Amino acid sequence: DIVLTQSPGTLSLSPGERASLSCRASLNINDNYLAWYQQKPGQAPRLLIYGASNRATGIPDRFSGSGSGTDFTLTISRLEPEDFALYYCQQYSSSPLTFGGGTKVDIK
Amino acid sequence: EVQLEESGGGLVKPGGSLRVSCAASGFTFSDYTMSWVRQAPGKGLEWVALITNNGNFKFYAQSVRGRFTISRDNAKTSLYLQMDNLRVEDSAVYYCARGEGILRVFNDYWGQGILVTVSS
Repeated sequence: DIVLTQSPGTLSLSPGERASLSCRASLNINDNYLAWYQQKPGQAPRLLIYGASNRATGIPDRFSGSGSGTDFTLTISRLEPEDFALYYCQQYSSSPLTFGGGTKVDIK
Repeated sequence: EVQLEESGGGLVKPGGSLRVSCAASGFTFSDYTMSWVRQAPGKGLEWVALITNNGNFKFYAQSVRGRFTISRDNAKTSLYLQMDNLRVEDSAVYYCARGEGILRVFNDYWGQGILVTVSS
């Protein structure tokens, strides 16, 4: 199984600041089959990024994804109040599909 | 508008069974792989199972293999998860999600989730 490790566990930042979230895989993720999701309390996850760097429909361009192989990053260029949430990465390169443990972005 | 609505959750005793359903609308259901993903209270996301668009291929997480069965009825645009021999550790919110791709899928739309509690 591919284990995904997200860091940091919590990121405390202020609105307007830049956020960088890391997702590291235990094995190479072929074809960059890596997705990022945002989840707010009491809500379902929302797809942000797929294929490591492709924004999903309706996702603002302040969200960007990068990386390849085993190291991936989600960047939020300027945090808006609605961006404070939990973020998960997921690999869909091989079965079983696996998620990282999540990074919480909270208000400093 | 894509909509996924889960139903059928509730409280069940360890060793018991439960079937959760997901009613889909707003897209051609028979064109898409579908998945179940769960989230235990206060924990992260765990993929549970997926089924290809025609139902020919089904895959399960090791933690539920042999106890859970995923199925679909394309005529009714519905997805199901039959859960047998339930354990306390199966307690979670269960999400139905549409898959983009065939077997290697990411989930572009999610239902609001349904709570399953396994407790004596």
